[in-house]
Amino acid sequence: EPEVTQTPSHQVTQMGQEVILRCVPISNHLYFYWYRQILGQKVEFLVSFYNNEISEKSEIFDDQFSVERPDGSNFTLKIRSTKLEDSAMYFCASSAGQGDYGYTFGSGTRLTVV
Amino acid sequence: QKEVEQNSGPLSVPEGAIASLNCTYSDRGSQSFFWYRQYSGKSPELIMSIYSNGDKEDGRFTAQLNKASQYVSLLIRDSQPSDSATYLCAVNQGYGNKLVFGAGTILRVKS
Repeated sequence: EPEVTQTPSHQVTQMGQEVILRCVPISNHLYFYWYRQILGQKVEFLVSFYNNEISEKSEIFDDQFSVERPDGSNFTLKIRSTKLEDSAMYFCASSAGQGDYGYTFGSGTRLTVV
Repeated sequence: QKEVEQNSGPLSVPEGAIASLNCTYSDRGSQSFFWYRQYSGKSPELIMSIYSNGDKEDGRFTAQLNKASQYVSLLIRDSQPSDSATYLCAVNQGYGNKLVFGAGTILRVKS
């Protein structure tokens, strides 16, 4: 079964450092997303991406965050200057279409900011 | 952002029983609804989707939707210990195909 691949599975970084989280969505999917889940809390929407541009972003997705699809397969989330409160599980997801299509999530990257 | 509400639980049921999980949503414009299962430390896994009022069955799972009452439910028949997980209700909102998730209901199936 096709899957969404995320790397690394765990990243530890110092506060103020830049991190890049990487994702390879399912190959024929057109819509890409990043979500995060702080330990014990809800899965929260960060950003959606379609046709090489951001479709929608949440209040969490401020100027410290950016996304990129540098080639035909990778989809990255960059956090420029990490804060302690950025510590969370970050999930990448993709879907074949809008509306009735559910997402397939990757296994996640656990980001720990120290 | 409009809300999606779920009872946090835990909901405890004996093995073989029916587990009933409920969800309400506030955005009347939402058209697509999803149930995900999340094991501890893992990513959400899609179980069911539903778009029309009424029931939709898939194996041991039945999703129910009532748009007038803004209510979605998931029934799990013949519950197994392996069904023990957090069940997330998700609602499609907005123009970017965003899914908004509830906080989830913890289900414990006791053998």
